Amino acid sequence: GESVGLHLPTLSVQEGDNSIINCAYSNSASDYFIWYKQESGKGPQFIIDIRSNMDKRQGQRVTVLLNKTVKHLSLQIAATQPGDSAVYFCAEINQAGTALIFGKGTTLSVSS
Amino acid sequence: KAGVTQTPRYLIKTRGQQVTLSCSPISGHRSVSWYQQTPGQGLQFLFEYFSETQRNKGNFPGRFSGRQFSNSRSEMNVSTLELGDSALYLCASSLDLDREGYFGPGTRLTVT
Repeated sequence: GESVGLHLPTLSVQEGDNSIINCAYSNSASDYFIWYKQESGKGPQFIIDIRSNMDKRQGQRVTVLLNKTVKHLSLQIAATQPGDSAVYFCAEINQAGTALIFGKGTTLSVSS
Repeated sequence: KAGVTQTPRYLIKTRGQQVTLSCSPISGHRSVSWYQQTPGQGLQFLFEYFSETQRNKGNFPGRFSGRQFSNSRSEMNVSTLELGDSALYLCASSLDLDREGYFGPGTRLTVT
């Protein structure tokens, strides 16, 4: 079946560290992936996306890596800040291309 | 550019009642998707509308329905509410499903 999962439900880092949040997906035919950040009491916020014809894409302090061989997606956050504390979700377009399938989420906690 | 708005933000209903939630997408976006978010099940896709047509539907009972108007605003309706329908209902708008989606703040529905 289709599923998107994350390796760790929680991740705790110190301010200034680099954070890496991982996600495994099951559908090898997926060609579009998104990372979202959700803060308490808010809706998910788009961070960065990547298509399957790319291995890496960079944004402001964030990098998404896609390894299609092992069906693995990761989000790297450089110089993590307390404001980065949130739940991070990866999502993929499902096999039929008709819906976004979300993983369970990783809670990132950043301490000063 | 205004973001995605959802009304109401909070709602309390009793079992057996019905509810209608509203979503106004970002101007120019024709795709509106709805999701249910609960602690146990995470973010689950309900349905997606594009240019007033329901293109995709998730695995939810027929009590969940929706529609989209010519101005792309969308409503979702839940009839015969059950306790298990208590959740955060989120809508997301995008130019199309495989483009970055922007979420609203959600409607917190509590069924008693």
